[in-house]
Amino acid sequence: KAGVTQTPRYLIKTRGQQVTLSCSPISGHRSVSWYQQTPGQGLQFLFEYFSETQRNKGNFPGRFSGRQFSNSRSEMNVSTLELGDSALYLCASSLGTGRVQETQYFGPGTRLLVL
Amino acid sequence: AQSVTQLGSHVSVSEGALVLLRCNYSSSVPPYLFWYVQYPNQGLQLLLKYTSAATLVKGINGFEAEFKKSETSFHLTKPSAHMSDAAEYFCAAENTGFQKLVFGTGTRLLVSP
Repeated sequence: KAGVTQTPRYLIKTRGQQVTLSCSPISGHRSVSWYQQTPGQGLQFLFEYFSETQRNKGNFPGRFSGRQFSNSRSEMNVSTLELGDSALYLCASSLGTGRVQETQYFGPGTRLLVL
Repeated sequence: AQSVTQLGSHVSVSEGALVLLRCNYSSSVPPYLFWYVQYPNQGLQLLLKYTSAATLVKGINGFEAEFKKSETSFHLTKPSAHMSDAAEYFCAAENTGFQKLVFGTGTRLLVSP
């Protein structure tokens, strides 16, 4: 079974631009979560989608948004990019049963550099 | 709010030596706990997880972790380090049911020959 895939793997943008990142979950997984990883803040939860609905959200400004499609694929968008948005963005998928011990499987990430 | 503390941002061991990576959680309600490993330029790979079925959890690549409620700890160990174990290790907790993992700051394991 194919793992979680993320595109693109690398991205360079300039301040003020917007960016869209894509994530395809493992087949059969209905929950997709996004995390931001930076050297200073570590791994932080952005949001989680299940059945095209955002179920949970982390403490990020409204510039960060996401959506999920009927095939469970998810996109996240960052508008008006700031230098501090440079990070590795990780997507994780899981079955989405709502059980707390459910395992999340991570993709390789998209590395975003904002100049 | 749930938090996870990993003591030691870097741990250095010799090949063949015991690996011990520390993780403590803060919660009056024990969460479900996970250890993930991240190799350079890659995503996170699950090593093992604690789901209350057993306090000693065995994972992949010879790693195991023991849940100790009295110490609010979930330390990761491996009896004999291998060069290929060099990576960054993250302890994480989840107790909301909404796939919101709370991560520790990570420990970079260095293995010398």
